[in-house]
Amino acid sequence: QSVLTQPPSVSATPGQKVAISCSGGSSNIGNNYVSWYQHLPGTAPKLLIYDNNKRPSGIPDRFSGSKSGTSATLAITGLQTGDEGDYYCGTWDSSLRLFGGGTKLTVL
Amino acid sequence: QVQLVESGGGLVQPGGSLRLSCAASGFTFIDYYMTWIRQAPGKGLEWISYITSSGTTIFYADSVKGRFTISRDNSKNSLFLEMDSLSAEDTAVYYCVRETYSDGYSFDYWGQGTLVTVSS
Repeated sequence: QSVLTQPPSVSATPGQKVAISCSGGSSNIGNNYVSWYQHLPGTAPKLLIYDNNKRPSGIPDRFSGSKSGTSATLAITGLQTGDEGDYYCGTWDSSLRLFGGGTKLTVL
Repeated sequence: QVQLVESGGGLVQPGGSLRLSCAASGFTFIDYYMTWIRQAPGKGLEWISYITSSGTTIFYADSVKGRFTISRDNSKNSLFLEMDSLSAEDTAVYYCVRETYSDGYSFDYWGQGTLVTVSS
């Protein structure tokens, strides 16, 4: 059972927007920055968002992150079939690193 | 370009040991914290350990504390994970990951992973 709670699955059609939530507590998300990772089938996970809302070089602006209180959200606009995969939030608590349980995105 | 290449995975019997290695290239290894993260079949990502750039500070997840040992050789740009007392619950793909820090911590480069299977 993860300390960070994500919905197990979300789905949407190509071109639509989807939001994935990540809920934690005051000792993790509430006091620290959040990152988001994309894990597509057969590939290594990839950093999508860091420091709550920053995108690494090469990540399209279709991906955005936000944080409010003890929750964070990853938004994906203009959904593509290639976005189908698993998405994880991450942060830390004291010196330990944490991941959410992951959300499976299905693009119908 | 940054490359992280894991090796050492394979089939091991319950109670056995295994040593994973990660060869890093394309960046100044000594400048970065390094981490091991795993994914069991059908499960999510699980952070298991990190080591600071100098190797002086180490943290472990409770699930592996006392059984796994992380280490690094900065002269050889290498990261290691010594795994003892393995059980079926340790079956997973193990990723070598670079940790970066700006305002907060994140994992910016991942290896392709090495599969560890614990079974008799």
